[in-house]
Amino acid sequence: DAKTTQPPSMDCAEGRAANLPCNHSTISGNEYVYWYRQIHSQGPQYIIHGLKNNETNEMASLIITEDRKSSTLILPHATLRDTAVYYCIVRKVYNNNDMRFGAGTRLTVKP
Amino acid sequence: GAVVSQHPSRVICKSGTSVKIECRSLDFQATTMFWYRQFPKQSLMLMATSNEGSKATYEQGVEKDKFLINHASLTLSTLTVTSAHPEDSSFYICSARDGLFSYEQYFGPGTRLTVT
Repeated sequence: DAKTTQPPSMDCAEGRAANLPCNHSTISGNEYVYWYRQIHSQGPQYIIHGLKNNETNEMASLIITEDRKSSTLILPHATLRDTAVYYCIVRKVYNNNDMRFGAGTRLTVKP
Repeated sequence: GAVVSQHPSRVICKSGTSVKIECRSLDFQATTMFWYRQFPKQSLMLMATSNEGSKATYEQGVEKDKFLINHASLTLSTLTVTSAHPEDSSFYICSARDGLFSYEQYFGPGTRLTVT
């Protein structure tokens, strides 16, 4: 699976949009972009995933560039409870490969 | 969404003893389960992958005789830390893949192991 690069940390004001970038320049055509987050001392929580179209769910939006070499996770109205480490992962879905985590981005939402 | 449970959520054991952690998929059949370890302020590190009914595949540097993994059914995997030492203290997280329908991978809430 392709590797990803994320900034180590970001801050965001409560109520504002949080935009978390991820670079995955070696992504291949059958690899999806997944986003998870991990709140302190909990297991990873699934947020969203996509292949090439932008996706939106009740938690976030995922914007994937046309060349698919990067993506942005958008939390539209960040709250203090969104403070967590956010992981961007690229993987093929229909195989038995494991999901490997990079360092992620530590997002701190400030009042 | 699919649920993966772990038991216990936290455990304290004495050095030299063994401890078993259970991972269950509650509403789907997990053909593959994964075990991760996470030290403070670090990311999750994959320890091993297990397919139901087969021996686990361990990552480089992970001792298979120390971290015994059993995946005897499609809903249960266990990780036994044998002869635990303080350096084994960590956050252990299991993950299960729905190999029949969605092929998605779901994570458990984690188990905090402290070896004294």
